[in-house]
Amino acid sequence: GAVVSQHPSRVICKSGTSVKIECRSLDFQATTMFWYRQFPKQSLMLMATSNEGSKATYEQGVEKDKFLINHASLTLSTLTVTSAHPEDSSFYICSARQGAAREDQPQHFGDGTRLSIL
Amino acid sequence: EDQVTQSPEALRLQEGESSSLNCSYTVSGLRGLFWYRQDPGKGPEFLFTLYSAGEEKEKERLKATLTKKESFLHITAPKPEDSATYLCAVQARDSGGSNYKLTFGKGTLLTVNP
Repeated sequence: GAVVSQHPSRVICKSGTSVKIECRSLDFQATTMFWYRQFPKQSLMLMATSNEGSKATYEQGVEKDKFLINHASLTLSTLTVTSAHPEDSSFYICSARQGAAREDQPQHFGDGTRLSIL
Repeated sequence: EDQVTQSPEALRLQEGESSSLNCSYTVSGLRGLFWYRQDPGKGPEFLFTLYSAGEEKEKERLKATLTKKESFLHITAPKPEDSATYLCAVQARDSGGSNYKLTFGKGTLLTVNP
């Protein structure tokens, strides 16, 4: 149980392109999903918390106009990197907690999306 | 500011050679400490949650323990398939004090040679 699917797994595109990444909870409903970014040999850094039916909460330093998050249903959250530039190249990972699970319950992660901007 | 420090950064073991990974933390209002395993190019896979000092959890060759300042992940008689990066994360109140946030360490890269 608690499977999170992320798509696509890899994207290579030109600078200026907008890229959409999907995160789905396959066997459970997720009121809250999370988006992380990971650089090589670095820890996962929380970018934003996605709440179903409401606006996302962004961490300090994360541009909300650059990283658009939509959580339209209890099983789907999307992250759109708008007008992507080479510095946006990274490994993006989503996660979800089951149902309306409390914050002391584990997050379950997707397999990430490797974004490369040329 | 919350900090999560893992050591060592990398560890090489021979198959069957037991060892421990360390995760030290300084947070306010700990709600849980989590261990994950991450394989190259993949997302973290949940292993354990620990909530209070003295708690222990086991799964196959892995055993996680927790004190007030650190957690250990003990690996008994490891096999090559245990090779991965092991991540520690703590759930605690953020700097604003109103929300909870999961903060990760940088991980320990474990390599088990046959």
